[in-house]
Amino acid sequence: AQKVTQAQTEISVVEKEDVTLDCVYETRDTTYYLFWYKQPPSGELVFLIRRNSFDEQNEISGRYSWNFQKSTSSFNFTITASQVVDSAVYFCALYTGTASKLTFGTGTRLQVTL
Amino acid sequence: DTEVTQTPKHLVMGMTNKKSLKCEQHMGHRAMYWYKQKAKKPPELMFVYSYEKLSINESVPSRFSPECPNSSLLNLHLHALQPEDSALYLCASSQVLQGAQPQHFGDGTRLSIL
Repeated sequence: AQKVTQAQTEISVVEKEDVTLDCVYETRDTTYYLFWYKQPPSGELVFLIRRNSFDEQNEISGRYSWNFQKSTSSFNFTITASQVVDSAVYFCALYTGTASKLTFGTGTRLQVTL
Repeated sequence: DTEVTQTPKHLVMGMTNKKSLKCEQHMGHRAMYWYKQKAKKPPELMFVYSYEKLSINESVPSRFSPECPNSSLLNLHLHALQPEDSALYLCASSQVLQGAQPQHFGDGTRLSIL
């Protein structure tokens, strides 16, 4: 079975703080894909990143960075110097051939205040 | 602005009404999806169309009826819904039905059943 755990339900930070959102996944498939999506209050899910199981390189995109570690089955997301516009619910998701669909975590609500 | 357009943004309907949700994309994507999202929960997959053919039905009750008239349009016909069907309904598309392809989501339709 596929499972994604986002243990942090809500996080509150003050603007300019760094914040890390945790994601732990479970699967027996050797080939799989991991995603992060952002859902602002407006409702749409915004695609942030995709990683396949064979690519453990960390990635940085502006203030966003991702740390993929197969040894701990984790795919954590760090926002550096957070801004109010980063306030949203962030979902980590897993795709495997076995499930043939995205398995979402329960999401982490991030609140960034001034 | 999202590249997947959903109408209407909000819908209130009685349990005996018939209504339709519409989704449109012009990115040339050949896979389209319907998701249901309850408050503070992750999206749940309902249906998937690939090349205008129904590919996945996640055991959705027959009061929800999907339709894909062409490669750009996806409809969800609603009839005799129950109060528990009140939710955010999200449409998404991807280049093809393959796990590595990121899904692009619309803003959703917020549905309330009286």
